[in-house]
Amino acid sequence: DGGITQSPKYLFRKEGQNVTLSCEQNLNHDAMYWYRQDPGQGLRLIYYSQIVNDFQKGDIAEGYSVSREKKESFPLTVTSAQKNPTAFYLCASSRDRDSNQPQHFGDGTRLSIL
Amino acid sequence: GDSVTQMEGPVTLSEEAFLTINCTYTATGYPSLFWYVQYPGEGLQLLLKATKADDKGSNKGFEATYRKETTSFHLEKGSVQVSDSAVYFCALRGPYSSASKIIFGSGTRLSIRP
Repeated sequence: DGGITQSPKYLFRKEGQNVTLSCEQNLNHDAMYWYRQDPGQGLRLIYYSQIVNDFQKGDIAEGYSVSREKKESFPLTVTSAQKNPTAFYLCASSRDRDSNQPQHFGDGTRLSIL
Repeated sequence: GDSVTQMEGPVTLSEEAFLTINCTYTATGYPSLFWYVQYPGEGLQLLLKATKADDKGSNKGFEATYRKETTSFHLEKGSVQVSDSAVYFCALRGPYSSASKIIFGSGTRLSIRP
């Protein structure tokens, strides 16, 4: 089955520590996205990538970094500069260049501070 | 810029009641419209979509019609079940949207009483 795999499901971060969230897709999609969701709120775009080795900042990129070295992988690093990282993080992918296509989502990673 | 506005929740209904969740949008050109559903602790799943005016998307008893004249895409279901309890997101993807981003509404939490 094709889909998006996020890991881990739960993650804990200590003060001053960087942590990396994994996102892998086998849908052969060009575009990948990272969203942050806070309790009772909608999705906010952190970073997105339309093609390998290229990515752009979304609406709330400060304190986060990404890489896109392979088409199927788009890891997100939450750095120590992100002062309020506790949230539910969702990765998504879509076929690019076609506005009819929806985004497909992983099951999310819940990040908490120790 | 493009935007999506959906009715605030929470919405609480009794089982077998009729459901409407309102969604209106602002966009340049002719966007594609989507409804996503999020069950507790999970990612978003595509519920239905419509890609042009007067299209009706439908799935699992839910329906929504793309109304260009009122810029709306309201979600309806004739008889809700307890298992429909979730958060519902309206979204659009514009044909001219840079980087093929999807714009999400803030979500509407639906609770169904047995």
